[in-house]
Amino acid sequence: EDKVVQSPLSLVVHEGDTVTLNCSYEVTNFRSLLWYKQEKKAPTFLFMLTSSGIEKKSGRLSSILDKKELFSILNITATQTGDSAIYLCAVEEGSQGNLIFGKGTKLSVKP
Amino acid sequence: DSGVTQTPKHLITATGQRVTLRCSPRSGDLSVYWYQQSLDQGLQFLIQYYNGEERAKGNILERFSAQQFPDLHSELNLSSLELGDSALYFCASSVARLAVGELFFGEGSRLTVL
Repeated sequence: EDKVVQSPLSLVVHEGDTVTLNCSYEVTNFRSLLWYKQEKKAPTFLFMLTSSGIEKKSGRLSSILDKKELFSILNITATQTGDSAIYLCAVEEGSQGNLIFGKGTKLSVKP
Repeated sequence: DSGVTQTPKHLITATGQRVTLRCSPRSGDLSVYWYQQSLDQGLQFLIQYYNGEERAKGNILERFSAQQFPDLHSELNLSSLELGDSALYFCASSVARLAVGELFFGEGSRLTVL
């Protein structure tokens, strides 16, 4: 059965800290891996990764994919209270063409 | 604002009842996806429609059904509701048919079954 596992499930840090969120997957027909941020309601897109070893970066956020070891990490540097959210990892499964989501990592950034 | 509109935002109903959730995708998007998010299960894929046709099915119960209309809006029908159906139901859209790519999510419809 295809699955996506995120760790840790929750994390509390202080402003200015750097955090690393993990996502491992076992998906038969891998097409891409995506990261979403969910604050109050709707998840919003952060990154899509398809190739190993190529870092995607947006401001203080960056992500990389390792297709050999079947995992991805999402890094957030110099965290701010506005980074508090649930971060969702999803893998696009090619045969069905849908996203398989992990349960998310709940990040709380304290002032 | 993702451009995906879902109604109603909140819905409270009783066990055994039937409800309909509505979704309007982003302008130009032909694919509509329905997801269920509960506290213990995370986001679970239910069903996908592309340009009016069912394209992929996930963990959708037989009591649930969906359709996509010619104007591309979609409805998710939930019947014989049970307490365990209480969840946040998301609609998402994308332009693609085969490759999901980036999904644009609506704000969700929170269903509470009492």
